Amino acid sequence: DAGVIQSPRHEVTEMGQEVTLRCKPISGHDYLFWYRQTMMRGLELLIYFNNNVPIDDSGMPEDRFSAKMPNASFSTLKIQPSEPRDSAVYFCASSVGGERLYTEAFFGQGTRLTVV
Amino acid sequence: AQSVTQLGSHVSVSEGALVLLRCNYSSSVPPYLFWYVQYPNQGLQLLLKYTSAATLVKGINGFEAEFKKSETSFHLTKPSAHMSDAAEYFCAVRNQGAQKLVFGQGTRLTINP
Repeated sequence: DAGVIQSPRHEVTEMGQEVTLRCKPISGHDYLFWYRQTMMRGLELLIYFNNNVPIDDSGMPEDRFSAKMPNASFSTLKIQPSEPRDSAVYFCASSVGGERLYTEAFFGQGTRLTVV
Repeated sequence: AQSVTQLGSHVSVSEGALVLLRCNYSSSVPPYLFWYVQYPNQGLQLLLKYTSAATLVKGINGFEAEFKKSETSFHLTKPSAHMSDAAEYFCAVRNQGAQKLVFGQGTRLTINP
């Protein structure tokens, strides 16, 4: 398996523009997580899905952020409009869930977002 | 809420010296615990995990961690540091009955020649 695949790896955009980050989880994984990493706040969980359904979006900073998972092999995180404070590395991760809470989450390489 | 604390945002050791990275969790019920490593411009990679099968857990690259319930700790160690160990290390916790992983703030490990 190729692992969790994120695109793009780098994104530079101007303030006010819409940004869409993409993620393909590992096949067979039923949980998908979006994390944001910054120097100030570390790794923050933004939202996670189970079987394509959003379960907990309490970490989403504000209404400018939205996430979807239209099918088991694809998810997007959208920021509209983007602001400089959204600059961060965004990670997608997937795992097998259910009773197997001992299983780890597998991370993608991340998307480094810079909003100027 | 479940949380995890990593003592020391930066740790520096000499090559060949012992590595000790500290992690404490807050929970009355032992959770599932994980250590991840992040190399520059990379994603997070699992080093090892505690699943209640054994208190001493061995991971990749010579790392190991010991779960101590009385101290609510899960410290990461390696007997002899190598230059390639320079990276950022994250402790993470998953509470029983929950799915999300909560991460500590991370510890940046520097290896001096």
